Amino acid sequence: AQSVTQLGSHVSVSEGALVLLRCNYSSSVPPYLFWYVQYPNQGLQLLLKYTTGATLVKGINGFEAEFKKSETSFHLTKPSAHMSDAAEYFCAVSRPWSSGSARQLTFGSGTQLTVLP
Amino acid sequence: DTGVSQDPRHKITKRGQNVTFRCDPISEHNRLYWYRQTLGQGPEFLTYFQNEAQLEKSRLLSDRFSAERPKGSFSTLEIQRTEQGDSAMYLCASSFTQTLQETQYFGPGTRLLVL
Repeated sequence: AQSVTQLGSHVSVSEGALVLLRCNYSSSVPPYLFWYVQYPNQGLQLLLKYTTGATLVKGINGFEAEFKKSETSFHLTKPSAHMSDAAEYFCAVSRPWSSGSARQLTFGSGTQLTVLP
Repeated sequence: DTGVSQDPRHKITKRGQNVTFRCDPISEHNRLYWYRQTLGQGPEFLTYFQNEAQLEKSRLLSDRFSAERPKGSFSTLEIQRTEQGDSAMYLCASSFTQTLQETQYFGPGTRLLVL
């Protein structure tokens, strides 16, 4: 079974400050990890993903995340917050991709990011 | 390249009525997923299709729920005898699995309110 825990359902940062959204996972097999963003009344947009290889992953809009196996973490960061970053962020895990296996995503409960002027 | 579309975007119904939602995936995407998202929670997997075959269903999918993907293109999700607990956002996602780099692309969702 897989699960995701996002620490902090609400995070507030000032514009220009560092953004850090925390994600810890539990998985019996090496996981694939994802961060999605959801703006109000919209679907989810993929920010970045980790499958294999380099553990520091860069995504869109200046976001990046680092896979730390020893800490079972995949925290999302951005050096300088922008007002347009205000949204809800979801961390998700899936089983590794192999032919025929189900690849549904298991999501955390989300973190609402507020950016203060 | 148009994205995943869902129809309707909003649906209000009375308890006990049947509702049907439609999802049009990105063309040539062979996998289609349905998720349900309740307020303050992340999406939860309901079911998925590979082409027209429904390959897995979550235990969340009670027998009042049925999903189809008749020609491997669009999909419908029907809820019979709706209950207030069915109120949620229903999200559809599609993906292309001919390579190992599968990414799920989500539609805007259908928000259901059962009165």
